[in-house]
Amino acid sequence: DIQMTQSPSSVSASVGDRVTITCRASQVIRNEFGWYQQKPGKVPKRLIHSASSLQSGVPSRFSGSGSGTEFTLTISSLQPEDFATYYCLQHNNYLRWTFGQGTKLEIK
Amino acid sequence: QVQLVESGGGLVEPGGSLRLSCVGSGFTFSDYYMSWIRQAPGKGLEWVAYITASGSATFYADSVEGRFTISRDNAKNSLFLQMNSLRVEDTAVYYCAEIFGLDIWGQGTMVAVSS
Repeated sequence: DIQMTQSPSSVSASVGDRVTITCRASQVIRNEFGWYQQKPGKVPKRLIHSASSLQSGVPSRFSGSGSGTEFTLTISSLQPEDFATYYCLQHNNYLRWTFGQGTKLEIK
Repeated sequence: QVQLVESGGGLVEPGGSLRLSCVGSGFTFSDYYMSWIRQAPGKGLEWVAYITASGSATFYADSVEGRFTISRDNAKNSLFLQMNSLRVEDTAVYYCAEIFGLDIWGQGTMVAVSS
């Protein structure tokens, strides 16, 4: 099975900061990969699909990059509403799927 | 509007069974892979199972394989999760979700396994 190692597990940052979150796969995966944001008590919301495509309606300060075994989510300038928990998900077709462990983004 | 609505959660004793249901509306249900994803209290997201659009193939997480069965009825726009031999560690909110295309999630249904 494919393991996803997400880092960091938590990060403290200020409004306006640039933040990067990384997921590493235990083997090469196709770009059936996405990033999700979850706020307390809410359903997860997809930010990025296909590794680097911005979900419709998501602000352009969010971006995704990477391929193969390493994938990155970048928030270019943090806004107050971005403080949440972020998850990566590999959902390669005809393989078992895996979420990363999550990254809690907190206000410094 | 596009939505998924789960039902069937509840409190069950260890070793017991539950069947979750999910009904989709506002989209062509039969075109999409469907999945179950769970989240234990205070924990991260865990993928549980998915089923292809036609229902011809199913995949399970190691933690549930052999105990849970995912199925669908496209004529009724419905997805199911039969959960047998439930364990305390299966306690979680269970979400029905379409995550390949439209990214649609239900609001979740709580399953509590406790004696």
